[in-house]
Amino acid sequence: KAGVTQTPRYLIKTRGQQVTLSCSPISGHRSVSWYQQTPGQGLQFLFEYFSETQRNKGNFPGRFSGRQFSNSRSEMNVSTLELGDSALYLCASSFQGDTQYFGPGTRLTVL
Amino acid sequence: AQSVTQLGSHVSVSEGALVLLRCNYSSSVPPYLFWYVQYPNQGLQLLLKYTSAATLVKGINGFEAEFKKSETSFHLTKPSAHMSDAAEYFCAVILSGNTPLVFGKGTRLSVIA
Repeated sequence: KAGVTQTPRYLIKTRGQQVTLSCSPISGHRSVSWYQQTPGQGLQFLFEYFSETQRNKGNFPGRFSGRQFSNSRSEMNVSTLELGDSALYLCASSFQGDTQYFGPGTRLTVL
Repeated sequence: AQSVTQLGSHVSVSEGALVLLRCNYSSSVPPYLFWYVQYPNQGLQLLLKYTSAATLVKGINGFEAEFKKSETSFHLTKPSAHMSDAAEYFCAVILSGNTPLVFGKGTRLSVIA
């Protein structure tokens, strides 16, 4: 089976802009989770979608949002970007929310 | 409250030496436990997982971990380190039901020739 794919792999934006990241899960997986990884805060959970519904949400401001489509593909959006949003954004998929398999990540740089 | 604690942000071992990376969790019920590895500029790769079957779990690349409920620990070991093992290792836990995966802060493993 193909693994989790994320696009784009690298992204450079300026403060105030918005960005959309995409994640395609492993075929058959219905759960997609998003994480932010930074050197200072480590790996932090953003949100999880299961069968197009947000099932869990981390402690991030409302500028961070996501959605999941009927084919389980997921997108996350960050509006009004801040310098502190620079991070590696990781997507993970699982069959039901148990064992998670990660994609390669999207490296977002905010200037 | 920190659910997962990894002791040592950086561990350095000689090639061929034992690798021991420590992880303790805080939970009153046996959780699901995982170890992931991250190589530079890559995502996380699952090394192994504990899901209440055998307490000694074997993973990929010669790694294994033992679940010890009395010590609330899930330490990762490998008998003989290889240069290719140099990476960041993360312990993670699912505490219950459909709760999110919670990660420790990671341990960077360096292997010295």
